[in-house]
Amino acid sequence: DAKTTQPNSMESNEEEPVHLPCNHSTISGTDYIHWYRQLPSQGPEYVIHGLTSNVNNRMASLAIAEDRKSSTLILHRATLRDAAVYYCILRDGSYNTDKLIFGTGTRLQVFP
Amino acid sequence: DGGITQSPKYLFRKEGQNVTLSCEQNLNHDAMYWYRQDPGQGLRLIYYSQIVNDFQKGDIAEGYSVSREKKESFPLTVTSAQKNPTAFYLCASSSGGNNQPQHFGDGTRLSIL
Repeated sequence: DAKTTQPNSMESNEEEPVHLPCNHSTISGTDYIHWYRQLPSQGPEYVIHGLTSNVNNRMASLAIAEDRKSSTLILHRATLRDAAVYYCILRDGSYNTDKLIFGTGTRLQVFP
Repeated sequence: DGGITQSPKYLFRKEGQNVTLSCEQNLNHDAMYWYRQDPGQGLRLIYYSQIVNDFQKGDIAEGYSVSREKKESFPLTVTSAQKNPTAFYLCASSSGGNNQPQHFGDGTRLSIL
């Protein structure tokens, strides 16, 4: 399974944009890039996913590099509720394994 | 509201005991999963089921057992063979198929007395 690399922690001030990077240099052509986040003592929550094109939803935007070896999750205006651990995960879209492989993620702190 | 319910939230086990963690979903999802999370770590897959009466081992299935007799329910038993059972256990479900998001419960924290 292809692996991802994320910084251990990042900080932001409330109402500022946050760019969370993820490197996945061994990504294959059929791997989708998924992002989940986990608040303390809760289960992970799906944020967004994409394959090649940039994606937007109500929670965030996902910017994917042209060579697909890296991506960035963008929170446009951080709030205190966005403080969580963010996981960048590759999922093989070529067959139905339904398997999520979690790394240690990036812990985002948001300051008022 | 539709969702996934895990119970209990906290569970204590004596040495040598089997314990069963409950997971119920009313999302009409075909696929269900069990993960284990240790402090400061990501989640690891224990078992998953893509359809009723069928399930597959994940990466760390030893010492655990599951059943999937109903679509809504996927209980996990932590047996006495699991030597280090203290962890945060998370259940998830999805509608199945490639790249469908997984929806997670709020977890059960298991501790050894």
